[in-house]
Amino acid sequence: GNSVTQMEGPVTLSEEAFLTINCTYTATGYPSLFWYVQYPGEGLQLLLKATKADDKGSNKGFEATYRKETTSFHLEKGSVQVSDSAVYFCGSKGETSGSRLTFGEGTQLTVNP
Amino acid sequence: DVKVTQSSRYLVKRTGEKVFLECVQDMDHENMFWYRQDPGLGLRLIYFSYDVKMKEKGDIPEGYSVSREKKERFSLILESASTNQTSMYLCASTWGPANTEAFFGQGTRLTVV
Repeated sequence: GNSVTQMEGPVTLSEEAFLTINCTYTATGYPSLFWYVQYPGEGLQLLLKATKADDKGSNKGFEATYRKETTSFHLEKGSVQVSDSAVYFCGSKGETSGSRLTFGEGTQLTVNP
Repeated sequence: DVKVTQSSRYLVKRTGEKVFLECVQDMDHENMFWYRQDPGLGLRLIYFSYDVKMKEKGDIPEGYSVSREKKERFSLILESASTNQTSMYLCASTWGPANTEAFFGQGTRLTVV
C-alpha cells in the first residue's frame, strides 16, 4: 500500500528564511500527492496538491513538485512569515476512487520574528 | 462550503465504556476516513469507507469498529475504551475521484480515564 515519510521535526526558522520540508512516498502506481496544514486549534486544510509526475502545486508562496524519479514531494517557501507557524502534513492517495489517504508524521514549523 | 462536522470537540470517558464518535458531511462525498493524531506519530488511519455499508481497515484498526449506514454519516466505535485510546480523532471526507482533496472535521479530543 501507499506510505509517506516526512523529515523529522520540529523546524524553527527566523522570519524571511527559506523553508524546505522533505517528503518521500512509496506507492504502487501513480498516487496523488498533497500538503495539508494544521494551524493551532484547527483541523487540517489543503495547502496544495499535485496529481501526476512533474506537476507543481503552489499556494500562498508554498510550492512542491511531484518527482517520480526520486519519489519525492518536498515543500518549499522562499520567505516564511510568523503566520506560517503550523504543523504540515504530506499525504498520498492512490489512483483508484476507493483508495486510502495516508499521511506522514507531520512537521511542526515555528517561525520567530 | 463543504462541512465535516464531528459531534463532540471534547469527550471524557471511563475505561471499559463503549464510545461512539460521530462524523457527518454535507457534500455527498463517497469516501470517509477516521484518523487518530498523536504527538510524534502524525495521522494514523484507523478505518475508511468508500461507500455506504462498505469499510476497509486502515493501519491501526485494533480496538475500533465503524459503521456507515447512510452516505453522510461515518461513526467510529470504541468497543471497550482503554487509556491508550486517549487521543485526538479526526474525520475526513473526499469525492470519489482519487485526486480530490480531503475535507477535515475539527477533531474530537477523547480522554479515557
